[in-house]
Amino acid sequence: QQQVKQSPQSLIVQKGGIPIINCAYENTAFDYFPWYQQFPGKGPALLIAIRPDVSEKKEGRFTISFNKSAKQFSLHIMDSQPGDSATYFCAAVSSNTGKLIFGQGTTLQVKP
Amino acid sequence: NAGVTQTPKFQVLKTGQSMTLQCAQDMNHEYMSWYRQDPGMGLRLIHYSVGAGITDQGEVPNGYNVSRSTTEDFPLRLLSAAPSQTSVYFCASSARSSYNEQFFGPGTRLTVL
Repeated sequence: QQQVKQSPQSLIVQKGGIPIINCAYENTAFDYFPWYQQFPGKGPALLIAIRPDVSEKKEGRFTISFNKSAKQFSLHIMDSQPGDSATYFCAAVSSNTGKLIFGQGTTLQVKP
Repeated sequence: NAGVTQTPKFQVLKTGQSMTLQCAQDMNHEYMSWYRQDPGMGLRLIHYSVGAGITDQGEVPNGYNVSRSTTEDFPLRLLSAAPSQTSVYFCASSARSSYNEQFFGPGTRLTVL
C-alpha cells in the first residue's frame, strides 16, 4: 500500500512551461513534506520542503502548494529549463518516527 | 567531507548467494536508512536506524538485515539473494534535528541472476 501517491509518472514540457506534479497522502501523522530531485546516476537531493501549517512556499522557480484538508500537495516549476530535466519525488515524514516515505516519482523532460 | 559513501557501485549475484552492501557517513548523523529504487515504485524504505544500536523496519524489510554498531556505518545484508532483489540501493543519512533532509549516497546497482 503506497502511503504517498504521486502523479503523473512522466511529464514533457517545452522550455518556459510550468510543469505541475501532484501528490496525495493518507497518514495524518505526517508533519513535513519534502521534494527531492534526482539526476540520472545520482542519489536524490532535497529540493524544497513545506510544513502543513503553510499553504505555499517558494524557493526560486520552485513552488509547493499544500492543501491540508484534502491531504494533497503539489510542486510547480516556473519558467522550466532543460537543466530541470530530472526525476522528482514527493515525500512525507512523521517527526515521531523519522521515517521518510516517498511517492513513486515523476520523470520530467523539458524540451529546448 | 566525503558525505555518504557506498560500496560497491555495481554487483552481480547468483540466486542464493549472500552479500553485504556497505554504507558510511562522516557527518556524525544519527539517522541512517536504506532504500531500494525500482521503476514505477519510487524509493521504498527497507530499514532505518535512529542511532548506534537501534534499528527498525521500513516498508519492505523482508530478505534484508541491518545492524548499527557505530554512528558512521550502516551495512545492509542480503542473506540469500533472490531475483526480486534486483534493484538500485541507496543509503541516506540525516541529523536527528533535521530528519526531513536526508543526504543520499551514489547508490549500488545490484543484479541477481
